[in-house]
Amino acid sequence: DAGVTQSPTHLIKTRGQQVTLRCSPKSGHDTVSWYQQALGQGPQFIFQYYEEEERQRGNFPDRFSGHQFPNYSSELNVNALLLGDSALYLCASSLPGLAGNTIYFGEGSWLTVV
Amino acid sequence: QQQVKQSPQSLIVQKGGIPIINCAYENTAFDYFPWYQQFPGKGPALLIAIRPDVSEKKEGRFTISFNKSAKQFSLHIMDSQPGDSATYFCAAEITGNQFYFGTGTSLTVIP
Repeated sequence: DAGVTQSPTHLIKTRGQQVTLRCSPKSGHDTVSWYQQALGQGPQFIFQYYEEEERQRGNFPDRFSGHQFPNYSSELNVNALLLGDSALYLCASSLPGLAGNTIYFGEGSWLTVV
Repeated sequence: QQQVKQSPQSLIVQKGGIPIINCAYENTAFDYFPWYQQFPGKGPALLIAIRPDVSEKKEGRFTISFNKSAKQFSLHIMDSQPGDSATYFCAAEITGNQFYFGTGTSLTVIP
């Protein structure tokens, strides 16, 4: 049973560029959340997707956008990259409702902005 | 504003010791409190979780103690092993909403 898979694992971008990160949820999961984890910090919620709609959003600017596809996979897009966007981006998948209390994280995509 | 406050930031114990990590929250609407373990280069993995109607939950060597009136919960690791060396995060959730994570505790277990 494949867990949550993310790509790419590492990438380096220049300030002002745009980046797209990808996530495939755990088999059977239809809800995908994205988190940003800065070095030495806990994960911070960016947004959550369910039924191809953004259902919730954390305190992140509009430069952060996402998409969920019919097969439940998801993308995170960040425009106009800033040095402060350097972080580990984690995708987590879950089931809706009470079962959604258990979220499973992928191994993340390390983004370095130079 | 940090929704979940975690301490200590780092912890060093001898093998066999019982490290204790503490978390506090303010929002009484939280109804699910998990602990995650994260190894370097990996994503966080669920370790154990508790709901506020229970004061203690034990799974193997890991125990959560929950004090609803004090709005605090803690993780105890019995008979700690060098393989337990990792970063531990507490979190809180209102079911169906986002998770709020603590800032993490780096645990080192010395052989």
